[in-house]
Amino acid sequence: RKEVEQDPGPFNVPEGATVAFNCTYSNSASQSFFWYRQDCRKEPKLLMSVYSSGNEDGRFTAQLNRASQYISLLIRDSKLSDSATYLCVVNGYSGAGSYQLTFGKGTKLSVIP
Amino acid sequence: ETGVTQTPRHLVMGMTNKKSLKCEQHLGHNAMYWYKQSAKKPLELMFVYSLEERVENNSVPSRFSPECPNSSHLFLHLHTLQPEDSALYLCASSQDMQGGYNEQFFGPGTRLTVL
Repeated sequence: RKEVEQDPGPFNVPEGATVAFNCTYSNSASQSFFWYRQDCRKEPKLLMSVYSSGNEDGRFTAQLNRASQYISLLIRDSKLSDSATYLCVVNGYSGAGSYQLTFGKGTKLSVIP
Repeated sequence: ETGVTQTPRHLVMGMTNKKSLKCEQHLGHNAMYWYKQSAKKPLELMFVYSLEERVENNSVPSRFSPECPNSSHLFLHLHTLQPEDSALYLCASSQDMQGGYNEQFFGPGTRLTVL
């Protein structure tokens, strides 16, 4: 089983639509979870951190289900500027008191006028 | 913009060349990372430095050689690379590596092409 698994998409949605991305992870000892956004040929940028069962930031809602080892990202009222690749990222213990990020391959979103 | 800068932004080199990638973070962080991002693959962690000491080397070939002279600077020295090493090389930093809640901040990357 891949460490962090995402549907690569692409998800093509019209402006104003609601879209949800799912992510599963294999390391049950993972501590924290993030969604990063990566625009074409740019670096990943932190979109949201998910520390408990989930959190909301404007049009974006992230949810975490530790029992099922599953994270989701919901985007409401999609904008053209939301078009990007969304990376699911899991922070897990790597030994000697250190933690490392493991990245999914990303889900590509295209918001269409 | 994110406090992590990388130079050069683009690099084309032959297989016999020697070049270096540079990363600098202005965030006062103690941990720095090198990642490789190839097409259709997730980001691959290459090296990790914490307080200027290398703490992780993820089975990276010796043709990649990292250097961390201080907590703000990180280099990746390249020599006798292969065409399959062409990728986006990303530097990142975080406050430290302790605890499971550290966010990483990325530089803009160096897009490397090996001919």
